[in-house]
Amino acid sequence: DTGVSQDPRHKITKRGQNVTFRCDPISEHNRLYWYRQTLGQGPEFLTYFQNEAQLEKSRLLSDRFSAERPKGSFSTLEIQRTEQGDSAMYLCASSTGDRAPYEQYFGPGTRLTVT
Amino acid sequence: RKEVEQDPGPFNVPEGATVAFNCTYSNSASQSFFWYRQDCRKEPKLLMSVYSSGNEDGRFTAQLNRASQYISLLIRDSKLSDSATYLCVVNSNDMRFGAGTRLTVKP
Repeated sequence: DTGVSQDPRHKITKRGQNVTFRCDPISEHNRLYWYRQTLGQGPEFLTYFQNEAQLEKSRLLSDRFSAERPKGSFSTLEIQRTEQGDSAMYLCASSTGDRAPYEQYFGPGTRLTVT
Repeated sequence: RKEVEQDPGPFNVPEGATVAFNCTYSNSASQSFFWYRQDCRKEPKLLMSVYSSGNEDGRFTAQLNRASQYISLLIRDSKLSDSATYLCVVNSNDMRFGAGTRLTVKP
């Protein structure tokens, strides 16, 4: 399977715990994006990387959230001191950065439940 | 005002019907436009990019009106398998998604 993969698919954690999610993009894609989606809403942009550089970060992303893409391949998203409001689907997407329109392809998501 | 606005629906149509979805966006500097479909509890999947001249892919036709900051998607001869949520997406510096329009096609 050469699509975007995410791990884990589901995560249940207690409030205050730290969690980390992983995303493996399509291999030839140099752009990688993280989104959050709650029920009844469209995906909400969090951050994106071009290769290993984090080029943009949403103002909505609190300092409890951090993302890395150390070698320009897979990425991790960490949430520290989770809160119940962090419960959502976390989606990763990738695209080429070579030419517009930069169509993005999504992974299956990680569903986070904070109890 | 939201950056990307869509009629949430739901749209309930019989098989074979033609249905149209509309989307407006607020950022006039937006560069790229897309329609995605999302099935329940699944990830969004790219349906089609939207080009200035309009484009068609089988039963699906997308239109862009930059002057009015408006995008549309037309589905002809709708199938049961078209039932999903359709997300309008606008790209300026980052991708902005609408909340989606839910479509149910009934036999």
